[in-house]
Amino acid sequence: EVQLLESGGGLVQPGGSLRLSCAASGFTFSSYAMSWVRQAPGKGLEWVSAISGSGGSTYYADSVKGRFTISRDNSKNTLYLQMNSLRAEDTAVYYCAKEPGIAARWYFDLWGRGTLVTVSS
Amino acid sequence: SYVLTQPPSVSVAPGQTARITCGGNNIGSKSVHWYQQKPGQAPVLVVYDDSDRPSGIPERFSGSNSGNTATLTISRVEAGDEADYYCQVWDSSSDHKVFGGGTKLTVL
Repeated sequence: EVQLLESGGGLVQPGGSLRLSCAASGFTFSSYAMSWVRQAPGKGLEWVSAISGSGGSTYYADSVKGRFTISRDNSKNTLYLQMNSLRAEDTAVYYCAKEPGIAARWYFDLWGRGTLVTVSS
Repeated sequence: SYVLTQPPSVSVAPGQTARITCGGNNIGSKSVHWYQQKPGQAPVLVVYDDSDRPSGIPERFSGSNSGNTATLTISRVEAGDEADYYCQVWDSSSDHKVFGGGTKLTVL
């Protein structure tokens, strides 16, 4: 079955760090770009970061650039998001999402169920 | 940065046609994609590349894009279509993905 499964969310204090993981199955992981998209409580979708299929190209929203790092381990079929210097406004459900090609320039044809990150003291 | 503008809400009676717009500067030159999100669920792609449908999406869902406005059209609306709908593009000038603010579709 084709699916994405996020993990690693939880409660963290402002200024803290957290690493999210997304385990992919059912498709050739290295052939597709991947992204993280978040949704604050009661708000809309916000694209956070993307990575090409090879991992050689990465992209970040201005709101997280310099604080978040996206990476992937194609041998483990896993996508990561390292989040540092977390702020209250980073509180959201974080989804991983697959693109239909190897370059990160399209849309999202598969989504995970999401993992909740809460930044609060 | 590129901005996409959607109406916050659209209401329609069952069996009627719903049209949800997505405005952006010269959006007709970009490929527009649409997602449906029901409460507590992950988004689902319903239209990609302006007007193509993924497998499993009913023909009632269609899209168009021209000038400064893209439109998602849902024909013969059903109660199960009630959801939030988001448009999305890839902004080539920044290599960023951009989402519209979302539109809540209410079936009366």
